[in-house]
Amino acid sequence: KAGVTQTPRYLIKTRGQQVTLSCSPISGHRSVSWYQQTPGQGLQFLFEYFSETQRNKGNFPGRFSGRQFSNSRSEMNVSTLELGDSALYLCASSLGGQGVYGYTFGSGTRLTVV
Amino acid sequence: KQEVTQIPAALSVPEGENLVLNCSFTDSAIYNLQWFRQDPGKGLTSLLLIQSSQREQTSGRLNASLDKSSGRSTLYIAASQPGDSATYLCAVVTGANSKLTFGKGITLSVRP
Repeated sequence: KAGVTQTPRYLIKTRGQQVTLSCSPISGHRSVSWYQQTPGQGLQFLFEYFSETQRNKGNFPGRFSGRQFSNSRSEMNVSTLELGDSALYLCASSLGGQGVYGYTFGSGTRLTVV
Repeated sequence: KQEVTQIPAALSVPEGENLVLNCSFTDSAIYNLQWFRQDPGKGLTSLLLIQSSQREQTSGRLNASLDKSSGRSTLYIAASQPGDSATYLCAVVTGANSKLTFGKGITLSVRP
């Protein structure tokens, strides 16, 4: 079966711009989570969506937002980009709540802000 | 607040050695623990998932154990190979939150 698909794989943006990242979960998975990975902070949780509702949110500024569509695909948006937003953004899908069946990650989107 | 620690940050071993990677967490009220592997510039590959009621899980040359009461997990890799070189991360789901809390990872290098 197809895995978690993230697009695009690479992005270069200028400070102040906004960006939208996309994640298509494994078919049948209704939970989609987003994580930011940087060398200094490691992997940090951004937010989780389940059945189109944001169920959990990490400690990130309001410039980071997301949404989930009825087909479980999710998008993440970052507005007014800052240099510190440069990171690998990873999406994970799960069949149910609390990751009972574990999480499957995509290959990530590498965002570079210049 | 859950905190996950993985020490050391890096490890180099000769090929063929059996090794143990350690993971500790501060809050024992976990739902499960998952070990991942990450190759440079890539996403995370799930290795093993251990539910809070389980003591261990095995997959091929990998064995992961969980001791909830002491807040520890170990990943045992038997007969290590150069292809095992990667960063290994452990992560837990705690309480009612449906989110993973990650350690910083252990970067493993297996020398031929």
